[in-house]
Amino acid sequence: DAGVIQSPRHEVTEMGQEVTLRCKPISGHNSLFWYRQTMMRGLELLIYFNNNVPIDDSGMPEDRFSAKMPNASFSTLKIQPSEPRDSAVYFCASSLNGRRDEQFFGPGTRLTVL
Amino acid sequence: GENVEQHPSTLSVQEGDSAVIKCTYSDSASNYFPWYKQELGKRPQLIIDIRSNVGEKKDQRIAVTLNKTAKHFSLHITETQPEDSAVYFCAASQGDYKLSFGAGTTVTVRA
Repeated sequence: DAGVIQSPRHEVTEMGQEVTLRCKPISGHNSLFWYRQTMMRGLELLIYFNNNVPIDDSGMPEDRFSAKMPNASFSTLKIQPSEPRDSAVYFCASSLNGRRDEQFFGPGTRLTVL
Repeated sequence: GENVEQHPSTLSVQEGDSAVIKCTYSDSASNYFPWYKQELGKRPQLIIDIRSNVGEKKDQRIAVTLNKTAKHFSLHITETQPEDSAVYFCAASQGDYKLSFGAGTTVTVRA
């Protein structure tokens, strides 16, 4: 059984460019989460989707960040325009509705904004 | 909101010895406490969890204990091996979707 899939695994871009991160949750999982991990701030929840609907986006740092979930098997996190301080590892996680707090993480995307 | 504190921040143990990591939480409504292991450059992996209706749970060499009265929970690793070297995160949840993570403990197992 495949776990959470993320792409790309590494992204290097220049300040001002648009970045799109992709996630495929575990099949059958109804909840999807985007996290950001940095040394300074640890793991931060950016946004939470349930049944493809954004439920909590209070962690999205600013309007430059947006996330979508057009169907149950795909989600994107977009940063436009990107800034050096966005450099971090971005994780996607998923869980079942009945156990939304039992979250399984993808391999992450390491983003570097120059 | 929930505040989870984790100690120690770093832990070095001799192979074969035990390792203990402790976490405290602030919200008495929290009822789910997972532990994640993150190896260098890898994803956080759920290794064990406990819900508030039990006080202890074991899985081979790892165990978690929970004291709801004192609002703290601990991870115990026995007979440590080099592959146990990683960063370990505790977390707490009120049974909804939001996990509050501790700052992490870097465990180094010396051969």
